[in-house]
Amino acid sequence: DTAVSQTPKYLVTQMGNDKSIKCEQNLGHDTMYWYKQDSKKFLKIMFSYNNKELIINETVPNRFSPKSPDKAHLNLHINSLELGDSAVYFCASSQEGGRSYEQYFGPGTRLTVT
Amino acid sequence: AQSVTQLGSHVSVSEGALVLLRCNYSSSVPPYLFWYVQYPNQGLQLLLKYTSAATLVKGINGFEAEFKKSETSFHLTKPSAHMSDAAEYFCAVSGGGSNYKLTFGKGTLLTVNP
Repeated sequence: DTAVSQTPKYLVTQMGNDKSIKCEQNLGHDTMYWYKQDSKKFLKIMFSYNNKELIINETVPNRFSPKSPDKAHLNLHINSLELGDSAVYFCASSQEGGRSYEQYFGPGTRLTVT
Repeated sequence: AQSVTQLGSHVSVSEGALVLLRCNYSSSVPPYLFWYVQYPNQGLQLLLKYTSAATLVKGINGFEAEFKKSETSFHLTKPSAHMSDAAEYFCAVSGGGSNYKLTFGKGTLLTVNP
């Protein structure tokens, strides 16, 4: 069974469109994250939720809106897509929001904005 | 604030040779440190972590890392490289206080030559 899954794996869309990426974890973890990996492979956190509560919100444009319907799911909705949003987006989860707990990553969603 | 510097964006070794990937960190609190590996078109997989127990940490696939506080380093090593080790490697530090986001280095691409 896949621990952290994301859909879709690939997403190609045009500028100005709105799209969503879904993430689900079956590990029973309390905390989930969204990361963005740019074309140079640099990984940066975007958001983190603990038990459906937003706990980390980095300086991300407000066109990005995370939603956590329950602690096993964390979706990412992006409005008015721009060329610069093209990247790989990774979802991750951890047992608790503690510093020592490793994060388990999903396979990523490659978003291409044309 | 936390930061990670990985020296060398690309390391090339021969099969059977020693692998050494360098990571230096900066942290305002005692650090928790992680090494992740990313194979092509996949998510990140935890190799090992340091959480203030033993300074020499053993991980999966024969990798290990040594935490050296005096040098603020957490270098990753493997005695004998295999072709299957070719991947991108990321060092990360966990945030302080209630901030448990991971701050990643820029990654080191390891290539293994036959």
